Amino acid sequence: GQNIDQPTEMTATEGAIVQINCTYQTSGFNGLFWYQQHAGEAPTFLSYNVLDGLEEKGRFSSFLSRSKGYSYLLLKELQMKDSASYLCAVSGTDSWGKLQFGAGTQVVVTP
Amino acid sequence: GAGVSQSPSNKVTEKGKDVELRCDPISGHTALYWYRQSLGQGLEFLIYFQGNSAPDKSGLPSDRFSAERTGGSVSTLTIQRTQQEDSAVYLCASRATGVEPNQPQHFGDGTRLSIL
Repeated sequence: GQNIDQPTEMTATEGAIVQINCTYQTSGFNGLFWYQQHAGEAPTFLSYNVLDGLEEKGRFSSFLSRSKGYSYLLLKELQMKDSASYLCAVSGTDSWGKLQFGAGTQVVVTP
Repeated sequence: GAGVSQSPSNKVTEKGKDVELRCDPISGHTALYWYRQSLGQGLEFLIYFQGNSAPDKSGLPSDRFSAERTGGSVSTLTIQRTQQEDSAVYLCASRATGVEPNQPQHFGDGTRLSIL
């Protein structure tokens, strides 16, 4: 079957770093997406990884290890506005981008 | 507008009634997806449309759920004889043409459905 796991909640202090892990077991793999979702709003795209390694985009970085079925999203220099749910999603072998989502990790940034 | 538009933003109805939820995708996007998100949960795939091909309905939870996409653009998700467990946020997403796997889905703000 297909399974995507990520922690339910993480708390960190403003200015700190937080790492959100995601492990997956899927029948096919065509890339992994991270989305950010503020309460009551639409998920917004953060990053895409298909090859092993680290992708950096400003304060956010995403890492992938295909052999381990593992990814993480790294948020640096945390700001209050980073308080949100972070969704890990895997694209299978369906070429039209059907995604399997994890339950999301709620990140709470405290002053 | 430039983004995915969904209507209504909120819908409250009585158990047993039928509801229709609408999605206007980004212009030119040929792939359209419907998801359901219950409180504190991840997104549950329902159905997707890919150009003129037959839709993938594998995520629809029961035969009370159906969806159409007319003219390759606007889509309507219909829930018949609603039940309280249908209460959730229904999200629509669209994706650009092509087979590049790195093309992300772009989401609307969703319709919050409450069944009394």
